Amino acid sequence: QVQLMQSGAEVKKPGASVIVSCKASGYSFTNYYMHWVRQAPGQGPEWMGVISPTSGIRNYAPKFQGRLIMTTDTSTSTVYMDLRSLRDDDTAVYYCTRGGEITCVGDGCPQSDFWGQGTLVTVSS
Amino acid sequence: EVVLTQSPVTLSLSPGERATLSCRASQSVDTYLAWFQQRPGQAPRLLIYDVSHRATGIPPRFSGSGSGTDFTLTISNLEPEDSAVYYCQQRKNWPRTFGQGTKVEIK
Repeated sequence: QVQLMQSGAEVKKPGASVIVSCKASGYSFTNYYMHWVRQAPGQGPEWMGVISPTSGIRNYAPKFQGRLIMTTDTSTSTVYMDLRSLRDDDTAVYYCTRGGEITCVGDGCPQSDFWGQGTLVTVSS
Repeated sequence: EVVLTQSPVTLSLSPGERATLSCRASQSVDTYLAWFQQRPGQAPRLLIYDVSHRATGIPPRFSGSGSGTDFTLTISNLEPEDSAVYYCQQRKNWPRTFGQGTKVEIK
């Protein structure tokens, strides 16, 4: 069965960096994109970016450009989300979610059908 | 970026009734619109992708329709377990965006 297992909760000070990992299992890791989505307390989800595990091609939301880095390790089927220069308003639950199959184009391609359990990142001085 | 506006903010209905949720996009997203359900303390759960395709394991009580800028999620024969917040998301344009959500309460 498909599983996305994320690393544990983190507490960081403003200005620091955080790395959250997401280990995939139960499917062919290199065949699917991986997205990161975060959700601040009481707010809706916010899409952060996507990475292709094969090509390494990334697409980040403009608001995170310059302080977000996504990487993959195909040997361990793990995706990493590195967010730098943390601010108080980065406090949120961070989720990885499996994107569409890389070879599936157009209409009819399921996206975000599996999610990690979420990682709470608290930014506080 | 594409702004998705959901209405109503809250919907309060009784078991067995039908819920109709709306999602309006600030520009056309063709048919690249998904719906998610989120219960408290849980990750979002994919219900519908690309307007009308039900995700694996989702009962036929959940259906989606629309195209371009106006979309609807219909939940027929409401059950107590349907109490949740429902979000729409578009994948036509970068960055992908979510609506602000509709909370469905079961009386």
